[in-house]
Amino acid sequence: NAGVTQTPKFQVLKTGQSMTLQCAQDMNHNSMYWYRQDPGMGLRLIYYSASEGTTDKGEVPNGYNVSRLNKREFSLRLESAAPSQTSVYFCASSVRDRGIETQYFGPGTRLLVL
Amino acid sequence: GQQLNQSPQSMFIQEGEDVSMNCTSSSIFNTWLWYKQDPGEGPVLLIALYKAGELTSNGRLTAQFGITRKDSFLNISASIPSDVGIYFCAGQLTDGGSQGNLIFGKGTKLSVKP
Repeated sequence: NAGVTQTPKFQVLKTGQSMTLQCAQDMNHNSMYWYRQDPGMGLRLIYYSASEGTTDKGEVPNGYNVSRLNKREFSLRLESAAPSQTSVYFCASSVRDRGIETQYFGPGTRLLVL
Repeated sequence: GQQLNQSPQSMFIQEGEDVSMNCTSSSIFNTWLWYKQDPGEGPVLLIALYKAGELTSNGRLTAQFGITRKDSFLNISASIPSDVGIYFCAGQLTDGGSQGNLIFGKGTKLSVKP
């Protein structure tokens, strides 16, 4: 099991460029999440997908779109990157056990927007 | 929205010392989770707490779910150099529209005393 994988590991963009961050999990989890992590801010939820075919906004969705392509894959798209989107992005997936969702995180994508 | 106050923000440890950190919230959570993040990696789950008053250990780590369901603490006994990293608490609601979404604290950064 690779767990949760993310590509790319690093990316540099110019303001206004677009890109898609990829995430895949091989644990057959229903729910998947995208977070951003900024210094001193902890992890903030951007979007989540409770199941294949559904997506919902999290705490900081502005400037992002997501696609739950299938059960395994959940992508995050920046249509027009801004310097404020410089951050580390983490994807996670979760499994429900005894009514509790336990989240497992990928290694992150480090994005710099110039 | 809900917020978690995690303290201390940072601390220096000397090998062999015990370490304590805590999280408090103005909201009630059904689950408390503690994660550790190593540099350049995603957060890894250390301990999950499911019931108010629960005390759970994982090796040298001990965590408790506060009776009021608004707080949790994590203790590390006899710290070793590989304990350095950032520790995050996270509260989870398991009812309503938030599904299994996590609210994260801002982290406690553990460093080794020079």
